[in-house]
Amino acid sequence: GAVVSQHPSWVICKSGTSVKIECRSLDFQATTMFWYRQFPKQSLMLMATSNEGSKATYEQGVEKDKFLINHASLTLSTLTVTSAHPEDSSFYICSATHVRGTYEQYFGPGTRLTVT
Amino acid sequence: AQKVTQAQTEISVVEKEDVTLDCVYETRDTTYYLFWYKQPPSGELVFLIRRNSFDEQNEISGRYSWNFQKSTSSFNFTITASQVVDSAVYFCALIKTGSARQLTFGSGTQLTVLP
Repeated sequence: GAVVSQHPSWVICKSGTSVKIECRSLDFQATTMFWYRQFPKQSLMLMATSNEGSKATYEQGVEKDKFLINHASLTLSTLTVTSAHPEDSSFYICSATHVRGTYEQYFGPGTRLTVT
Repeated sequence: AQKVTQAQTEISVVEKEDVTLDCVYETRDTTYYLFWYKQPPSGELVFLIRRNSFDEQNEISGRYSWNFQKSTSSFNFTITASQVVDSAVYFCALIKTGSARQLTFGSGTQLTVLP
């Protein structure tokens, strides 16, 4: 149980286009979903926290107009990178916490974004 | 503010050697959880262990063992008889209870096990 999927697993897009990444909790309801970004040989950096039905909370330095997060249901959150640039190329990982309230975060497999 | 420090950036060992990955944390909270995750080259994070701040018992799971010492704010991870498949980046992380459940990650330790 507690499986989180991400789609797509990798994507290549041209500079200036937008890319949407989906994060789904497959077998549980998630109260909260988190979005992380990981550059090569670096740690995971939290970008934003999203709760179902409310606006996401962004970490300092993360542009909310560039990284749009929508958490429309208890099983789906989306991250849209708008007007992507090569510096947005990174590994994006989502995680989710179970609605039953444990402190476990279940991680998705990640999405590798390359902007050319 | 919370902080997790993994001072070892890279470690290289030969297969069958034991290896310990260090993790030191800082928090003002009295209740919190500590985690270890493994990130193989595929990128997907693999959960290894969660430890409550009130439970200082050491834990062993197969070749893995964890030493939690609140007195030194450390939560070290030992792999016994390492194998090539253990090669990965290992992250230590901290979450405080009652919060928005945001994980604070250490910088990670790249472990390479040579055959």
